[in-house]
Amino acid sequence: NAGVTQTPKFRVLKTGQSMTLLCAQDMNHEYMYWYRQDPGMGLRLIHYSVGEGTTAKGEVPDGYNVSRLKKQNFLLGLESAAPSQTSVYFCASITSGASRRDEQFFGPGTRLTVL
Amino acid sequence: AQSVSQHNHHVILSEAASLELGCNYSYGGTVNLFWYVQYPGQHLQLLLKYFSGDPLVKGIKGFEAEFIKSKFSFNLRKPSVQWSDTAEYFCAIISGGSYIPTFGRGTSLIVHP
Repeated sequence: NAGVTQTPKFRVLKTGQSMTLLCAQDMNHEYMYWYRQDPGMGLRLIHYSVGEGTTAKGEVPDGYNVSRLKKQNFLLGLESAAPSQTSVYFCASITSGASRRDEQFFGPGTRLTVL
Repeated sequence: AQSVSQHNHHVILSEAASLELGCNYSYGGTVNLFWYVQYPGQHLQLLLKYFSGDPLVKGIKGFEAEFIKSKFSFNLRKPSVQWSDTAEYFCAIISGGSYIPTFGRGTSLIVHP
């Protein structure tokens, strides 16, 4: 199993450009999440999905959109990139066990720089 | 709402020193607790987790954590750290009714050889 993969690993954008980050998991997980990680801020949840075709806003959703058309994929879009969106983006997934005892599995991250 | 506090933001130790990283949470109901580690340039991975039973849980690489319900704490410990333990450590909780884990801000650990 590849686990959770993210594409691309690195990207540099100019202000105003758009891009899509792809997260894919092969563990048949129901829940998927997008986080951004900034120094001293820990992980902040951008958007999440509890199943195919469903998405919801997290703590810092502004400037981002997401889609979950297929269970295994969770896309994060930036329509008009801003320097404040310079960050490392992590995708994570988790099984749907009602006990919530399972840990999240994280992707390797995408380092995005917006000039 | 649930929240997690990690009071130690930066910790610097010498090899063989003992480690204890604090984690306190606020939530009145049942919670599941996790410690994740992020080595430099890598993604987060699970160190250990607690959901029931013995409040002292052991994880990978010699780490352990103790759940103290009365103190709402889940502190991470290691008797003797190694240079390779240099990393960022995150405490997280998830409550029974939530789909969303809550993370602390992380503790950066530097171990000098």
